Amino acid sequence: DIQMTQSPSAMSASVGDRVTITCRASQAIDTLLVWVQQKPGKVPRCLIYGASDLQIGVPPRFSGRGYGTEFTLTISSLQPEDSATYYCLQHKDGGTFGQGTKVEV
Amino acid sequence: EVQLVESGGGLVQRGESLRLSCAASGFTFSNYWMTWVRQRPGKGLEWVANTNRDGSAKYYVDFVKGRFTISRDNAKNSLYLQMDDLRVDDTAVYYCARAGGTDFWGRGTLVTVSS
Repeated sequence: DIQMTQSPSAMSASVGDRVTITCRASQAIDTLLVWVQQKPGKVPRCLIYGASDLQIGVPPRFSGRGYGTEFTLTISSLQPEDSATYYCLQHKDGGTFGQGTKVEV
Repeated sequence: EVQLVESGGGLVQRGESLRLSCAASGFTFSNYWMTWVRQRPGKGLEWVANTNRDGSAKYYVDFVKGRFTISRDNAKNSLYLQMDDLRVDDTAVYYCARAGGTDFWGRGTLVTVSS
């Protein structure tokens, strides 16, 4: 089974800050990685698919990079509405979510 | 507009069964893998199962193997999750999501398993 290690587990940052979240896969997953955002009490939504492709309607301040085992989600200029928990998901072999990163703005 | 609507959740006793459904619309259902994800109260997202376009391949997380069965009916644009021998720690909101990469999500259905 593929394990996903996500860091940090939580963070606090200010409006306008640049924020980066990292996910490491226990084995190579090519670019079969998705980033999902979940705001409190809300349905999760896909932000990034294929490791770096922005989902329709997602603001361009969100970006994803990586290949193989190392992946990052970056928010270039943090906004108040970005307070949420962010998860990575590998779908190379079944599926596995990371533990989540709670971002507080 | 892509829509996924889950149904079938509810309160059951430990050891009982439930069948969840997910009605899809706004896209060609048979062109997509489909996925079930759950979220236990206060916890993170857990991948549960997915199936390929024609339902011939099915994948499960270890803790549901042998108890849960994913299936689909492309003629009805519907995805299902048959859950047998339910445990208290299966209590969760169950989401249906499009594709292996979960690009669109339903609103979820709550399953509560009591002891």
